Amino acid sequence: EAGVAQSPRYKIIEKRQSVAFWCNPISGHATLYWYQQILGQGPKLLIQFQNNGVVDDSQLPKDRFSAERLKGVDSTLKIQPAKLEDSAVYLCASSLVLGGGGYTFGSGTRLTVV
Amino acid sequence: AQSVAQPEDQVNVAEGNPLTVKCTYSVSGNPYLFWYVQYPNRGLQFLLKYITGDNLVKGSYGFEAEFNKSQTSFHLKKPSALVSDSALYFCAVRDNNNDMRFGAGTRLTVKP
Repeated sequence: EAGVAQSPRYKIIEKRQSVAFWCNPISGHATLYWYQQILGQGPKLLIQFQNNGVVDDSQLPKDRFSAERLKGVDSTLKIQPAKLEDSAVYLCASSLVLGGGGYTFGSGTRLTVV
Repeated sequence: AQSVAQPEDQVNVAEGNPLTVKCTYSVSGNPYLFWYVQYPNRGLQFLLKYITGDNLVKGSYGFEAEFNKSQTSFHLKKPSALVSDSALYFCAVRDNNNDMRFGAGTRLTVKP
């Protein structure tokens, strides 16, 4: 089966600019996750979707981050305006069902804010 | 809230020797425990999981992990390390709310 697709692979922006990341999960996977992985740290959950509904966005900095999964398939994560501390790898993952076993991760988008 | 600790930033072993990457966890309720591996410029790859049942879990690439409830540990092991096992390893725990928390990671280096 095809894996979780993410684009772009790399992005460099200046602070205060906006940026968007795209994720296409594995076909049929109802649950989709966005994680932020800062260099030297483990991934941190930003938001979790079940189909097109938000299950958990408690760790999403809502003043600048937003995410949507309008049709319950692919998802977009946006940052506006970006800060230097947003430099990280943004990982998308999906799982078949909520509470299912392991997640399948995409290769991530490496964001550098200068 | 659940949490995971990986006490070692770095583990070095010689090829052919056994390896252990340590993980301890804290969670209310039954733990769902996972190990993932990350190669450079790649996403996380699932290695194995413990949900219930046997305390010794076998996973991909010859890895296994032992769940120890009394010590709240879930150490990753492999009897004979390969140079290609060199990577970043993450332990993760998920509680009943399905929020998966990752440790900070342990960099494994296997030297020929």
